[in-house]
Amino acid sequence: GNSVTQMEGPVTLSEEAFLTINCTYTATGYPSLFWYVQYPGEGLQLLLKATKADDKGSNKGFEATYRKETTSFHLEKGSVQVSDSAVYFCALRTNAGGTSYGKLTFGQGTILTVHP
Amino acid sequence: DGGITQSPKYLFRKEGQNVTLSCEQNLNHDAMYWYRQDPGQGLRLIYYSQIVNDFQKGDIAEGYSVSREKKESFPLTVTSAQKNPTAFYLCASSGSTSTDTQYFGPGTRLTVL
Repeated sequence: GNSVTQMEGPVTLSEEAFLTINCTYTATGYPSLFWYVQYPGEGLQLLLKATKADDKGSNKGFEATYRKETTSFHLEKGSVQVSDSAVYFCALRTNAGGTSYGKLTFGQGTILTVHP
Repeated sequence: DGGITQSPKYLFRKEGQNVTLSCEQNLNHDAMYWYRQDPGQGLRLIYYSQIVNDFQKGDIAEGYSVSREKKESFPLTVTSAQKNPTAFYLCASSGSTSTDTQYFGPGTRLTVL
């Protein structure tokens, strides 16, 4: 079956530090990959996505590249801010029909705390 | 503004009672989903619906029920059969194709007393 593994947290950084959150996956076929962010007490917001190998998703200074050869989709940001403190979820979706329609498989989430 | 609303934000229930969580969307999306989130875990799919009057079980459907009588609404009932119902519940929706992104509501935190 499909699975997503994220680096364990929590991750604690100082403002302006470089961020990497590792994400690897196991899936059949050619999945689409996503990063979602969840701020305290809120729902998930889509941060970025990539739908095919070598695609780079980017948004708000965050980037992730779909690496098929290493089955990875690591999230990076060059300079984090206090406002980036949140939980980050990596997810995949296999674009198959039938019972797999639109189903997202999530990693366990990584808590990021950024200090001033 | 288009979006997904969930109500209430916080819900308390006594053991043995059924409770219904509301989810409404005005994005004109065909597909809707319910997820459960527990501390330190990713989201797990409870039920999903691709079109009105049709829905499918997800990975953890036992103790839950849903209905989809209108395109805009997908309420979730947590029944007394659910052994451990205290959790954060998230509703999502997406367009009609399997390549559409899922968008999430703000969630409902259910606590069983």
